Amino acid sequence: NAGVTQTPKFQVLKTGQSMTLQCAQDMNHEYMSWYRQDPGMGLRLIHYSVGAGITDQGEVPNGYNVSRSTTEDFPLRLLSAAPSQTSVYFCASSYSLRSKLRGNTEAFFGQGTRLTVV
Amino acid sequence: GENVEQHPSTLSVQEGDSAVIKCTYSDSASNYFPWYKQELGKRPQLIIDIRSNVGEKKDQRIAVTLNKTAKHFSLHITETQPEDSAVYFCAASMDSSASKIIFGSGTRLSIRP
Repeated sequence: NAGVTQTPKFQVLKTGQSMTLQCAQDMNHEYMSWYRQDPGMGLRLIHYSVGAGITDQGEVPNGYNVSRSTTEDFPLRLLSAAPSQTSVYFCASSYSLRSKLRGNTEAFFGQGTRLTVV
Repeated sequence: GENVEQHPSTLSVQEGDSAVIKCTYSDSASNYFPWYKQELGKRPQLIIDIRSNVGEKKDQRIAVTLNKTAKHFSLHITETQPEDSAVYFCAASMDSSASKIIFGSGTRLSIRP
């Protein structure tokens, strides 16, 4: 059971470049989220999804796009990277009918993607 | 939207002593409050959570208390050990299924030998 898998683990981009951070989960979870982690600022929610075809904005959505075409995948797109987007990005998933029946709503995190924009 | 504030940002305690981390939240509709531990270079992992219908929850050396009226909740770690050194995050969610979790800014806990 792989859990939540993020790729790549490390990435360096030039200002203005675009890229997609990949996130996949194999736990049949309905909910998926993207966070960015910056020193002293904790984990800030970028976008989240409660199911395939449904996405919504979090605390810091500007500069990022998401889509949820399947239950398993939730990619995060940076259309024009900026130095302010240098951060560690975490994807998380939670909630399935099985976990609900168990009373478990734990969010499981991927291992993170360290992104540097120069 | 929800805002979660966490204090202190850093905490150093002697091994064997207790550590307390406090958080406040802004939206009275929040009803699920998880705590995550993040070791250096690793992903956050859930250590304990509490729902708004419960005032206190314990799991071995870790306990969490919730005061809905004051909108604050706390993490208590007793008999601290070196492996407790990490960054701890409190969080709040407005639905019991935790679709949207808002985190505090974190507390770096150091255990002195």
